[in-house]
Amino acid sequence: KAGVTQTPRYLIKTRGQQVTLSCSPISGHRSVSWYQQTPGQGLQFLFEYFSETQRNKGNFPGRFSGRQFSNSRSEMNVSTLELGDSALYLCASSERPGSSGANVLTFGAGSRLTVL
Amino acid sequence: GQSLEQPSEVTAVEGAIVQINCTYQTSGFYGLSWYQQHDGGAPTFLSYNALDGLEETGRFSSFLSRSDSYGYLLLQELQMKDSASYFCARFSSGSARQLTFGSGTQLTVLP
Repeated sequence: KAGVTQTPRYLIKTRGQQVTLSCSPISGHRSVSWYQQTPGQGLQFLFEYFSETQRNKGNFPGRFSGRQFSNSRSEMNVSTLELGDSALYLCASSERPGSSGANVLTFGAGSRLTVL
Repeated sequence: GQSLEQPSEVTAVEGAIVQINCTYQTSGFYGLSWYQQHDGGAPTFLSYNALDGLEETGRFSSFLSRSDSYGYLLLQELQMKDSASYFCARFSSGSARQLTFGSGTQLTVLP
């Protein structure tokens, strides 16, 4: 079964621009979560989607948004980019939402965003 | 109370045993997970402890003590390929059931 696919893998933007990242979950997985990974802050939860609905949102400003489509594919968008948004953005899919501690997340390789 | 504390770095030699500790603040708890991430790679699931005690998966074992808010990952017969970052993570109960990760422990295995 194919893994979690994230596109693009690398991108460079300038301050003030916006960016859209895409995530295709494992076939049959309906839950998609997004994380931001930086050297200083580690893995920070952004949001989780299940059946096209945002279930949870982390402590990030409104510039960060996302959505999920009927085929479970998800996108996240960051508007008005700041230098501090430079990070690896990871998407993870699971069969069901994070309501059980036994829920295993399968991560994609990430999209590395550099903001200049 | 969502934070998880881990040592930032651990170094060991091939063939040795290493233990990576994780302490957490309790505010509702659904067990402790461990993930491994190689440089430039995606985090991958290693193990999960729902209850107190030891879970063994090959060379890796994970332990949980809920009364002590403490867990650890034990890696035996270390190999060079085990050099990676290791993260403990937990789901919290309540309305915001998100997976919170520790800051990660960078394990370096020396020949």
